Amino acid sequence: QVQLVQSGAEVKKPGASVKVSCKSSGYTFTDFYLHWVRQAPGQGLEWMGWINPKNGDTKYVQKFQGRVTMTTDTSISTAYMELSRLRSDDTAIYYCARVPARVVATVFNHWGQGTLVSVSS
Amino acid sequence: EIVMTQSPATLSVSPGERVTLSCRASQSISNTLGWYQQKPGQAPRLLIHGASTRAAGIPPRFSGSGSGTEFTLTISSLQSEDFAVYYCQQYNNWPLTFGPGTKVEIK
Repeated sequence: QVQLVQSGAEVKKPGASVKVSCKSSGYTFTDFYLHWVRQAPGQGLEWMGWINPKNGDTKYVQKFQGRVTMTTDTSISTAYMELSRLRSDDTAIYYCARVPARVVATVFNHWGQGTLVSVSS
Repeated sequence: EIVMTQSPATLSVSPGERVTLSCRASQSISNTLGWYQQKPGQAPRLLIHGASTRAAGIPPRFSGSGSGTEFTLTISSLQSEDFAVYYCQQYNNWPLTFGPGTKVEIK
């Protein structure tokens, strides 16, 4: 069965960077786009962008341009999301999510368990 | 950016009741809409895609309808495990956007 297993919680200081991993199993890693979605405490869901594991193509939400980098390591079926110049309002649970079909823009039917990133001085 | 709005923000319901949640898009998105359920401490769970198609394993008491800008999620008879927050999401345009959610709580 499809599984997305994310790395553990992180505590960072403002201005630092964080890199969250998402290890995939149960399917061919390069066949499906992976997206990243975040959720601030008690808030709704915010889409951040996607990566195509087949060729490394990415698309990011404008508000994160210049601060976010999504990458993959196909040898270990793992995706990464790195967010730099962290601010307190980046405190959130970060999810990786997979689409159900070989299209880039659709719903997400598989989600990682989430990684809490806390930013505090 | 397409703005998604949901109403009501909170709904107090008794088990067994029929529940109707609304989602509106700021411009037409055809039927490119999904619904998710999220319980505390869990990742969202896909319920509906294409505005009205149930995802795999979703019980038939969940149904979706609508197109264009107005959408509805209906739970025909609310079960205890259905108390959660429900989000809609459009995938017609970039950026993908979610509604703010409707919390369904026990009355």
